[in-house]
Amino acid sequence: GENVEQHPSTLSVQEGDSAVIKCTYSDSASNYFPWYKQELGKRPQLIIDIRSNVGEKKDQRIAVTLNKTAKHFSLHITETQPEDSAVYFCAASMNQAGTALIFGKGTTLSVSS
Amino acid sequence: DSGVTQTPKHLITATGQRVTLRCSPRSGDLSVYWYQQSLDQGLQFLIQYYNGEERAKGNILERFSAQQFPDLHSELNLSSLELGDSALYFCASSVGTENIQYFGAGTRLSVL
Repeated sequence: GENVEQHPSTLSVQEGDSAVIKCTYSDSASNYFPWYKQELGKRPQLIIDIRSNVGEKKDQRIAVTLNKTAKHFSLHITETQPEDSAVYFCAASMNQAGTALIFGKGTTLSVSS
Repeated sequence: DSGVTQTPKHLITATGQRVTLRCSPRSGDLSVYWYQQSLDQGLQFLIQYYNGEERAKGNILERFSAQQFPDLHSELNLSSLELGDSALYFCASSVGTENIQYFGAGTRLSVL
């Protein structure tokens, strides 16, 4: 089955710096890669996703890149703000209805002002 | 608000007991997924239903079971509870054509 590794487990940056979180997956059949942000005590919220027919996707300060050959995908946050502090999870699955998401173990991002 | 409703928000019970967690998916979503989140294991997929039928199983214990009803709400039943079952249990739902999953607020289970 699919296995997703996520690094680093914790990341501390200064406000305004960039943050990068990396994930690798094992199943070459996976073609949907979402990223979720979870604030303390809250639900995971989808912040961006990418499908395997796309190499990069941007949404304001957030971008995701995918290297399908290497089975790597990364989340890039630019101009970080204190409200970006949260746990970020990457996941992988088939892009079809009814397929479980396999999550990485999460990265705790702390942005200090 | 994701549109996915979970009840109750908190549940405190004793070892050996049985509890039922409830999830109502977003309007129109046919797939319901259950995930367990514990401190050391992250978000782990338990089980998934599509339009009333079990579609996939993950790391779900035999003491746990689930079902999806004709109105598409789902229930997760946890029995013979152990201390290690204490966790956040999330339900997610997705529409029938893609796998974008929206999570409910979760049920925090504490087994004492």
